[in-house]
Amino acid sequence: TAGITQAPTSQILAAGRSMTLRCTQDMRHNAMYWYRQDLGLGLRLIHYSNTAGTTGKGEVPDGYSVSRANTDDFPLTLASAVPSQTSVYFCASSDGTSGSGANVLTFGAGSRLTVL
Amino acid sequence: AQKITQTQPGMFVQEKEAVTLDCTYDTSDQSYGLFWYKQPSSGEMIFLIYQGSYDEQNATEGRYSLNFQKARKSANLVISASQLGDSAMYFCAMRPTQNTGGFKTIFGAGTRLFVKA
Repeated sequence: TAGITQAPTSQILAAGRSMTLRCTQDMRHNAMYWYRQDLGLGLRLIHYSNTAGTTGKGEVPDGYSVSRANTDDFPLTLASAVPSQTSVYFCASSDGTSGSGANVLTFGAGSRLTVL
Repeated sequence: AQKITQTQPGMFVQEKEAVTLDCTYDTSDQSYGLFWYKQPSSGEMIFLIYQGSYDEQNATEGRYSLNFQKARKSANLVISASQLGDSAMYFCAMRPTQNTGGFKTIFGAGTRLFVKA
C-alpha cells in the first residue's frame, strides 16, 4: 500500500539519549514535513523539506534536526532528548512545492515518544 | 506570521443534526489554501475538504462544506446530518500558495466533536 511509513511506532527514551525517528514515503512526493501533536496545541510544524537536499525550520525546531538526502526519506533526530519532547510525532508529505492545487498532506501513522 | 485559531475545544451534537466547527486564521499572504482534517480515535489524519482563497464558491464534499468568509478570515466546517462515526478531532489548517517561506502547512489546536445517539 502506497503511503508513509514511520518507525518506531512507539518508544520510551531516557533523557539525554539521542533518537532518530524514521520516515519513508513511496509516493515520490517532493515535500515532506515533521509535526508534533500535543494535547491542546494541535499539530505544530518542526521541520520541513520542499525537495531533496533542502530543509527548513518550522514553528518549533529547537532540539530537533532533519536531513533529506533523497526524495523518499526524511529522518528526524533528537540529539539529546528532554521530557518536553514527549509527544506524538507525525511525518507527512505532499506532492507539490508550488502554489497550485490543494497539495493535501498525506500522513504517516505517527510515532509516540516518551522521554523520561 | 500565520496563525490558525479554533476556539471550541469540544463540541456536542445530536446524531442527524448539523454542526459548525469554527476556524479563524491570520495571514499576510494574498493567496493561500484552507484545509480541514479529521483525526478519529485511531489516530490517523484524514483529509476532508479544501478551499482556495480565490475560490468564489464555498467548497463542498459530501456532507462536509466549508463556510468561507474571506473578509472575516474565517473558514468554518459544516457537517450536515451528523453520524456517530463523525466523533473525532477536527483540525483546521492553512498553507500559502506563494513561496513566502516554504509552503508550510500550519494547524489549529483542534476541536473534539462528540456525536450523541
